[in-house]
Parts: sequence; C-alpha cells; structure tokens
Amino acid sequence: EDQVTQSPEALRLQEGESSSLNCSYTVSGLRGLFWYRQDPGKGPEFLFTLYSAGEEKEKERLKATLTKKESFLHITAPKPEDSATYLCAVLGAHQKVTFGTGTKLQVIP
Amino acid sequence: GAVVSQHPSRVICKSGTSVKIECRSLDFQATTMFWYRQFPKQSLMLMATSNEGSKATYEQGVEKDKFLINHASLTLSTLTVTSAHPEDSSFYICSARDQGGGHQETQYFGPGTRLLVL
Repeated sequence: EDQVTQSPEALRLQEGESSSLNCSYTVSGLRGLFWYRQDPGKGPEFLFTLYSAGEEKEKERLKATLTKKESFLHITAPKPEDSATYLCAVLGAHQKVTFGTGTKLQVIP
Repeated sequence: GAVVSQHPSRVICKSGTSVKIECRSLDFQATTMFWYRQFPKQSLMLMATSNEGSKATYEQGVEKDKFLINHASLTLSTLTVTSAHPEDSSFYICSARDQGGGHQETQYFGPGTRLLVL
C-alpha cells in the first residue's frame, strides 16, 4: 500500500524566513509526485509534478525537489500570502493517487 | 492551465433529500474524473473514479447507491448524494486529468462544494 507522510504538520515562519517542507513516500512504481496548495474552504491548487529522482521545479518562491524516498518543497523568503496548507501526493503503478495529510504553513508579517 | 469548475459551491438541504453536484473540465477533455471527500483538518479521501461512458469505480466503504455518479460527457461528471443525512455533511471536491496535456498524470481540482444536511 502506498504511503505519504508529510512533516511538519504545522509550520510558523516569519516573513522572509526560508524553510522546507518534507514529503516522505513509499509507492509501487512511481508515476508522479505532486504538490498542491490548499486554502481554507477551497480545492487544492496544482503547483508541481515531479517524475523522477533528481528532478527539480521552481515557481516564484517555491522549489520542489525529488529523491527516491522523499520530496522537499523549499520556500524562499515567504510572504504572508504563502500561508496555506501544502499537500503532497503520489501516483503509483496502480493508477491511484495517495495524499499526505498536509503541512499547514503560517507566515507572519 | 487546466481549469475544473464545480456547482454549486455551497448547498444546504434537509435530511432525506437528494443533492446533485456538477463537475466540469472547462478547457480540456477528461475521460476520467475523481470525487473526493474532505473532513475538517483532514486530507482528501477518494470516493470514486468516474469514467466517461461507463460505470464509476467506488472505493471500499463507499456506497454506490448512496453516491450516484454519472459521467455523461468528456467534460461533465455529476455526483448525486441520495437521501442525504447529517453525516453526509462534508466538503466534496472533484478532480480531472488532462488527457491531452503535457502533464497527463496530473489531477486538477475543482473549488469544492460544501454540503450541509440539516
């Protein structure tokens, strides 16, 4: 059974204080690892898809990296508008997506 | 980017009534759509996979007669919560894969529907 574990559960940062969110996974035949951002009362917003170890993708202040066991979402100089819950998910060979429970990020001005 | 819409965004209904939620892919075709349920402060729970032109595939523990899914076209899937009860109150979210896009494995999510059953 595929598993996704995200840490920390919650993270509080000062504006401008860079940090990383972790997503550890076990999956049978990784077909993709996904990062989403979810604001309260809204559906997840797609951020990145990573397909293989060593791959990196960037978008504004966010950078996602992937190894064979985990993925990191690096947030550089965060702003209050980056506050949200960040979800990690994996798609395995059986075509099902498994989500982690998310990291709730709060960026304080 | 791929856009998925849901309607309605919020619905309040009386116990025993049925509620229909629509999920549309606006700028792409989706042969497969997914329905999720999310409880407060919890992650997404897959309820069923909706396949265009065929029967939906339900996850273990999800009653197919309770949650009726119809995927009549490549851009529309509907979820009907039949004889709704207060315990069905939740946040329902649909998603779809852009089969023709560069990221064929990526699921794009709708904005969600908040259901409250009184």
